[in-house]
Amino acid sequence: DTAVSQTPKYLVTQMGNDKSIKCEQNLGHDTMYWYKQDSKKFLKIMFSYNNKELIINETVPNRFSPKSPDKAHLNLHINSLELGDSAVYFCASSQAPGDPYGYTFGSGTRLTVV
Amino acid sequence: GQNIDQPTEMTATEGAIVQINCTYQTSGFNGLFWYQQHAGEAPTFLSYNVLDGLEEKGRFSSFLSRSKGYSYLLLKELQMKDSASYLCTTGANNLFFGTGTRLTVIP
Repeated sequence: DTAVSQTPKYLVTQMGNDKSIKCEQNLGHDTMYWYKQDSKKFLKIMFSYNNKELIINETVPNRFSPKSPDKAHLNLHINSLELGDSAVYFCASSQAPGDPYGYTFGSGTRLTVV
Repeated sequence: GQNIDQPTEMTATEGAIVQINCTYQTSGFNGLFWYQQHAGEAPTFLSYNVLDGLEEKGRFSSFLSRSKGYSYLLLKELQMKDSASYLCTTGANNLFFGTGTRLTVIP
């Protein structure tokens, strides 16, 4: 059983389109995150939800909107995709913010905007 | 603010020992984590230090000095499969990552 699963694994789309990435965790964790890893491999926090409530919203364009229907799911919707959005997006979860057992990451979604 | 500094790349020989250093600055400290990330894969949790000193876990050990804002990851008996990026990270409500250290193990 996959602990944190993301779909799709690969996403190729044209500029201007709207797309969604889904994430689900079956670990019973309370906190979920979205990270973006760019071509330089820099892993940057985008959003964090604790028990369906948004707790971190880093400086991310308004075109990115997270949604957490329940604490096991955190989806990411992106409007009007731009070339610079091309990256690998990782979902992660933890028991709580700053959990000493660390985060469990999903396998990533490689987004390519053409 | 937050800042993580690690060497960008390191190369070591199979069977050897390698030490990957990390210095950090953070406004809220809740422990220091090390993650391993193989190319094209997700980061996986390796270790956690919240008190000063050395934590040993098999071939991997991690050290922390909070007063110096310094940590290192020690990998012993290197294997080819240890070729990966190693990410030092810390933070309070979320983990702040640097770009990591890409380690290449050569025969």
